[in-house]
Amino acid sequence: DTGVSQDPRHKITKRGQNVTFRCDPISEHNRLYWYRQTLGQGPEFLTYFQNEAQLEKSRLLSDRFSAERPKGSFSTLEIQRTEQGDSAMYLCASSSWDTSDTQYFGPGTRLTVL
Amino acid sequence: EDKVVQSPLSLVVHEGDTVTLNCSYEVTNFRSLLWYKQEKKAPTFLFMLTSSGIEKKSGRLSSILDKKELFSILNITATQTGDSAVYLCAVSTSGTYKYIFGTGTRLKVLA
Repeated sequence: DTGVSQDPRHKITKRGQNVTFRCDPISEHNRLYWYRQTLGQGPEFLTYFQNEAQLEKSRLLSDRFSAERPKGSFSTLEIQRTEQGDSAMYLCASSSWDTSDTQYFGPGTRLTVL
Repeated sequence: EDKVVQSPLSLVVHEGDTVTLNCSYEVTNFRSLLWYKQEKKAPTFLFMLTSSGIEKKSGRLSSILDKKELFSILNITATQTGDSAVYLCAVSTSGTYKYIFGTGTRLKVLA
């Protein structure tokens, strides 16, 4: 399968714990996005990487959230000191430089904070 | 503040019906509008519309963009139960990398 993959698919954690999610984009895609989606809402932009550079981050993003893409391939999203309000589906998407507006989404990581 | 509004929020039709989904937007420096279909998993890309491509068609689905009135519609003709999904509209703007999504229209097609 050469699509976008995310791991884990589901994560249940207790409030206050740290969690880390991984995204593997389509191999030739240099653009990578993270989104958060809650029930009944559309995806909400969190951050954008072009290769290894994080070029944009949502102003709404708490400083408990951090993302990396160290070698311009896979990316990780870490949430520190999780809160119940962090419960959501976390989606990763990738695109290539020549079709940048066509994003391919991964299956998402569903986070439940108890 | 940039925003994207979709209507209706939900819709129930019977197989064979034609549906029209709406997406209006208020953004600064519009670049493109995209439609996605989301079933029980990740969104899948349907169409992208820009200033140079304001009408797209693929099979029973078609979409137009009205840049003057700041909206887009997605038409689905001869609906099938497999069309049941949430349809998302997203807008991108120049000078930023983010995409602004609407809340989606939930379509249910009954057999």
